[in-house]
Amino acid sequence: EDQVTQSPEALRLQEGESSSLNCSYTVSGLRGLFWYRQDPGKGPEFLFTLYSAGEEKEKERLKATLTKKESFLHITAPKPEDSATYLCAVQAARGGSNYKLTFGKGTLLTVNP
Amino acid sequence: ETGVTQTPRHLVMGMTNKKSLKCEQHLGHNAMYWYKQSAKKPLELMFVYSLEERVENNSVPSRFSPECPNSSHLFLHLHTLQPEDSALYLCASSRSQGSGETQYFGPGTRLLVL
Repeated sequence: EDQVTQSPEALRLQEGESSSLNCSYTVSGLRGLFWYRQDPGKGPEFLFTLYSAGEEKEKERLKATLTKKESFLHITAPKPEDSATYLCAVQAARGGSNYKLTFGKGTLLTVNP
Repeated sequence: ETGVTQTPRHLVMGMTNKKSLKCEQHLGHNAMYWYKQSAKKPLELMFVYSLEERVENNSVPSRFSPECPNSSHLFLHLHTLQPEDSALYLCASSRSQGSGETQYFGPGTRLLVL
């Protein structure tokens, strides 16, 4: 069974204090690892898709990396508007149902001014 | 309108009511999904439609009934719900149901069952 574990559950940073969020996964045949950002009471907003170990993607202050066991979301010099819950999800090779996403519980990030 | 839209954004209903949630995607996608998000739990996949055919019913109780009249619209019909069904219901779409396809989410409907 696919598993996704995100850590820490909550992270509080000062504005400008860089840090990383972790997503550890166990899956048979990774087809994609997805990062989303979710603001309170809203739907997840797509950030990145990573497909293979060694891949990296960047967007503004965010950088996502992928190994065979985990992914990191690095946040450089965060601002208060980066405060949100960050969700990680994996998609595995599963024959006819390979569209299924297995989500982690998320990391709640708070950036204080 | 762009992306994935959902109506209503908030819904309060009694256990004997019947209501429907609506989702519309403006992305030209062929696959649509219903998810349930409860507090402190990961998103749970409920139903999947591909080219208007249901391809997944993830052991969801029959009090939830999906409908996909075309590739742009998805409904979730609700009847005789229980208080534990209170949650954020999210609709998503993707270009196809194939692996590696990114799913894009709507804003969700916050449902409260009294």
